[in-house]
Amino acid sequence: GAGVSQSPSNKVTEKGKDVELRCDPISGHTALYWYRQSLGQGLEFLIYFQGNSAPDKSGLPSDRFSAERTGGSVSTLTIQRTQQEDSAVYLCASSPRGRSSYEQYFGPGTRLTVT
Amino acid sequence: AQSVTQLGSHVSVSEGALVLLRCNYSSSVPPYLFWYVQYPNQGLQLLLKYTSAATLVKGINGFEAEFKKSETSFHLTKPSAHMSDAAEYFCAVSVGSGGSNYKLTFGKGTLLTVNP
Repeated sequence: GAGVSQSPSNKVTEKGKDVELRCDPISGHTALYWYRQSLGQGLEFLIYFQGNSAPDKSGLPSDRFSAERTGGSVSTLTIQRTQQEDSAVYLCASSPRGRSSYEQYFGPGTRLTVT
Repeated sequence: AQSVTQLGSHVSVSEGALVLLRCNYSSSVPPYLFWYVQYPNQGLQLLLKYTSAATLVKGINGFEAEFKKSETSFHLTKPSAHMSDAAEYFCAVSVGSGGSNYKLTFGKGTLLTVNP
């Protein structure tokens, strides 16, 4: 079946612009995660969605970052007023449900470059 | 809070040699542990996971890992390296952190090079 998909695969933007990154999880997966992968910080958790529950936003690095998940499926990560330190690969993952024993399935990522 | 330490950011082996990638974890509660592999310009793929059943876990592509509670380790091994094993490997720990959020905490990664 189809895996997790992300778009765009690459995004180059100018400092100060807003960007939107999209994630389509595996159908039927209720848990959705966003992570950021950067050279300096490695892989970091950003935000978690589970069904209709309030998201866990504890990993978002600043208030310029926000995310939503519509209809329990597609998610969008928005970065406002982008800065050069936002340059990274943004990975989305989904899981059948939010339990630690379940594997998280990762998408190919969106490579964001802020110039 | 949980953490993961991967010893060696870069490991180089010859084709056919033993692969050993080290991972130590810190967690105040019994953890779930994972090894993921990332090929260039791709997402993460699960190799294997420990979820409190057998301590010796077998995964895909001939990899296995042993959970050792006394050593807080979960090292990844493969008896004979293949050129196609060249990739970056990440060890991760998952512990519930409020509600049902089982976010992964990753190590810094180990880049495996396989020489012909």
